[in-house]
Amino acid sequence: DAGITQSPRHKVTETGTPVTLRCHQTENHRYMYWYRQDPGHGLRLIHYSYGVKDTDKGEVSDGYSVSRSKTEDFLLTLESATSSQTSVYFCAITPGVGFTEAFFGQGTRLTVV
Amino acid sequence: GEDVEQSLFLSVREGDSSVINCTYTDSSSTYLYWYKQEPGAGLQLLTYIFSNMDMKQDQRLTVLLNKKDKHLSLRIADTQTGDSAIYFCAESEASGGSYIPTFGRGTSLIVHP
Repeated sequence: DAGITQSPRHKVTETGTPVTLRCHQTENHRYMYWYRQDPGHGLRLIHYSYGVKDTDKGEVSDGYSVSRSKTEDFLLTLESATSSQTSVYFCAITPGVGFTEAFFGQGTRLTVV
Repeated sequence: GEDVEQSLFLSVREGDSSVINCTYTDSSSTYLYWYKQEPGAGLQLLTYIFSNMDMKQDQRLTVLLNKKDKHLSLRIADTQTGDSAIYFCAESEASGGSYIPTFGRGTSLIVHP
């Protein structure tokens, strides 16, 4: 299995609190992505990174920020969590452009109450 | 923007063939993918097809691409109970050079013994 780890795997938090999810990889892949998965919506891209300190927005980026200070870690932050951000969050990594060699993490189930 | 549509459920008997269908709208799609998601896990790439191909076969999996109708299908021969999972269709094109795929909502395949 590819070396990609998400933490935490499960989290329950209160509305209005900040939350940070971590994606850690040991593959030295250049690209990292954060998706959310919701029933009826499939996977939707939140943000992605194409290198250290290089990030860009996806289709559902409102309410989320990201940081990548080193190759192996990509952090997703909810500055002030809302119930609409209750979801399963997946991190993915690719060595280059395209998803022919993509690996996904196990997911983080976040519940905002 | 791009749109990828799949039926939500498919139920088959063990040993039969399964055919999961997908339609997409982007005529400039370059890669089309099939991913599998088992319960509680991340997505796993099953196979992909380049847009200049009509068919790709890999053991029990056959992918058919009809570019004219923008229709992609995944056939699983001799379906087993272990094939029960959610199957995601995805397509990508070179938007800004990123090739980040757009995912469908997923088809839940249920295999009855």
